[in-house]
Amino acid sequence: GAVVSQHPSRVICKSGTSVKIECRSLDFQATTMFWYRQFPKQSLMLMATSNEGSKATYEQGVEKDKFLINHASLTLSTLTVTSAHPEDSSFYICSARQFGNEQFFGPGTRLTVL
Amino acid sequence: DAKTTQPNSMESNEEEPVHLPCNHSTISGTDYIHWYRQLPSQGPEYVIHGLTSNVNNRMASLAIAEDRKSSTLILHRATLRDAAVYYCILRDVTTDKLIFGTGTRLQVFP
Repeated sequence: GAVVSQHPSRVICKSGTSVKIECRSLDFQATTMFWYRQFPKQSLMLMATSNEGSKATYEQGVEKDKFLINHASLTLSTLTVTSAHPEDSSFYICSARQFGNEQFFGPGTRLTVL
Repeated sequence: DAKTTQPNSMESNEEEPVHLPCNHSTISGTDYIHWYRQLPSQGPEYVIHGLTSNVNNRMASLAIAEDRKSSTLILHRATLRDAAVYYCILRDVTTDKLIFGTGTRLQVFP
């Protein structure tokens, strides 16, 4: 299947700082990318849908000003967690989809906010 | 969003077939049935998907009930590497969203 990468794989930051997570589709152009969050022993929760060149669509209850999403090219989407707090500590996973094809998931980024 | 119901956990012995059930009684005519699996601290891995007909690939088979209200993922010979959480998901073709349920944790014993 297609390859999706995420960077960094894990990050530890202080409370109040912002953290940027990158999601790249390595061997295909992704018209749509999705961002998920997963807390320990829970399922994945969809946060937002990101389409190249347009604003992201956020799921109900997800703060768009806190989780900034940019999909500037067909191979890159970024998620910035602004003013992170300990409750934002989670496993963040992106997926990428080429039009008409399957979604492929990245390996995830573990964020720990101290 | 259409929902799915799966058993919380299942067990299997190595080399034996595994049948993972999924109920989706509120499925709509345009929903695709997708299966993904997730190992600890990894992103989900695509397994298989289908719409109406049964599907086979190198990883698994998907059996879809005639009324599409349930489906079964079949692993023909379980290996230790198949131990994971298996998610049955309905994909709305209009939004393309994958809404994950709680999944089935599959344990495989040697």
